Amino acid sequence: DGGITQSPKYLFRKEGQNVTLSCEQNLNHDAMYWYRQDPGQGLRLIYYSQIVNDFQKGDIAEGYSVSREKKESFPLTVTSAQKNPTAFYLCASSITGNTDTQYFGPGTRLTVL
Amino acid sequence: KNEVEQSPQNLTAQEGEFITINCSYSVGISALHWLQQHPGGGIVSLFMLSSGKKKHGRLIATINIQEKHSSLHITASHPRDSAVYICAVRWADKLIFGTGTRLQVFP
Repeated sequence: DGGITQSPKYLFRKEGQNVTLSCEQNLNHDAMYWYRQDPGQGLRLIYYSQIVNDFQKGDIAEGYSVSREKKESFPLTVTSAQKNPTAFYLCASSITGNTDTQYFGPGTRLTVL
Repeated sequence: KNEVEQSPQNLTAQEGEFITINCSYSVGISALHWLQQHPGGGIVSLFMLSSGKKKHGRLIATINIQEKHSSLHITASHPRDSAVYICAVRWADKLIFGTGTRLQVFP
């Protein structure tokens, strides 16, 4: 089955530690995205990538980093510089980075203690 | 003011009722998306539309570009329709999301 996987579903980390969230897709999509969801707010774009080895900052990139070494993988690192890292993180992909429908992964809930 | 506003924020209904969720936006857009988020967090795309009306099963989505408004209708609602429904608009090269409408349908 084609789709997007994110792991783990729940992640706990101590304050000050970096943590990497995994996102893999086998849909052969060129574009991938990372969003953050907080209670009472709409999804906010962290980073996106329209092609391998290239990515752009979204609206709230500070304290996060990404890489796109392979078409199917777009990991997100939450660094210790992110002031409020506890949130629900969603990865998505689309055929291209234009008007295509985005397909979402199941999400990772990160809690920083 | 958010670029995308949804109403109502919360909605409860009895099984079988007709449901309407509204989305208003303030920017020029190239497309509007309706998404469904289940309690576990996963998001599914329901519709993408740039004009007129689309129907899929019991779901109908309409958009009025001049009035910058879209509606999502659910006919003959069912408890399995309980979810958060999110409106998102494509502006420039990104999606702007509304905060969602939480729908609960009781048997």
